[in-house]
Amino acid sequence: AIQLTQSPSSLSASVGDRVTITCRASLVISSALAWYQHIPGKPPKLLIHHASSLNSGVPSRFSGSASGTDFTLTISSLQPEDFATYYCQQFNTFPWTFGQGTKVEIK
Amino acid sequence: EVQLVESGGVVVPPGGSLRLSCAASGFAFDAYTMHWVRQAPGKGLDWVSLITWDGENSHYADSVKGRFTISRDNSKNSLYLQMNSLRTEDTAFYYCAKEGTGDPYFDHWGQGTLVTVSS
Repeated sequence: AIQLTQSPSSLSASVGDRVTITCRASLVISSALAWYQHIPGKPPKLLIHHASSLNSGVPSRFSGSASGTDFTLTISSLQPEDFATYYCQQFNTFPWTFGQGTKVEIK
Repeated sequence: EVQLVESGGVVVPPGGSLRLSCAASGFAFDAYTMHWVRQAPGKGLDWVSLITWDGENSHYADSVKGRFTISRDNSKNSLYLQMNSLRTEDTAFYYCAKEGTGDPYFDHWGQGTLVTVSS
């Protein structure tokens, strides 16, 4: 199975900060990568699909990019409602796999 | 508005069985592949199973193959997961998820239902 390694595993940031999370795939997955936000007690929420396509209704401060097997989720200006755990998921090769998650906490 | 509502999670002993349900509304249920994804306590997300729009094809993670069976009833807009020979490591929140248009990412998720396997 394709492994996705997210870094960092956790980070502390302040409101207004620019935050970058990286997801590295163990094999080439083209642009078949999605990003989700998960707040405890709520269902996961799709942010980005196909590496850089913003899902409908997701604020424009979220963006995704890709370079080879490295993928990046950027939050341009962190808002209070963005404190959550973020997961990447590949859908290029069965079985579909997730990264281990990156927890974004308040500094 | 798309809604997915899971039910059926309870405490069950190791070796036991359980059937989860997911009631879907707000979209053409019979046009989409549906999935189950789980999250063990303190752990990350783990894909479990999928079933195609017509119920003709299904696939499973190796960890549940031969023990879990996914099914759907398009006349009732419902998705199911029959879980047999449950193990303590199956303890998790189980989410049903709607596939995105044409590709297996998940554009809508339910709130989840908690399955606890414990004696």
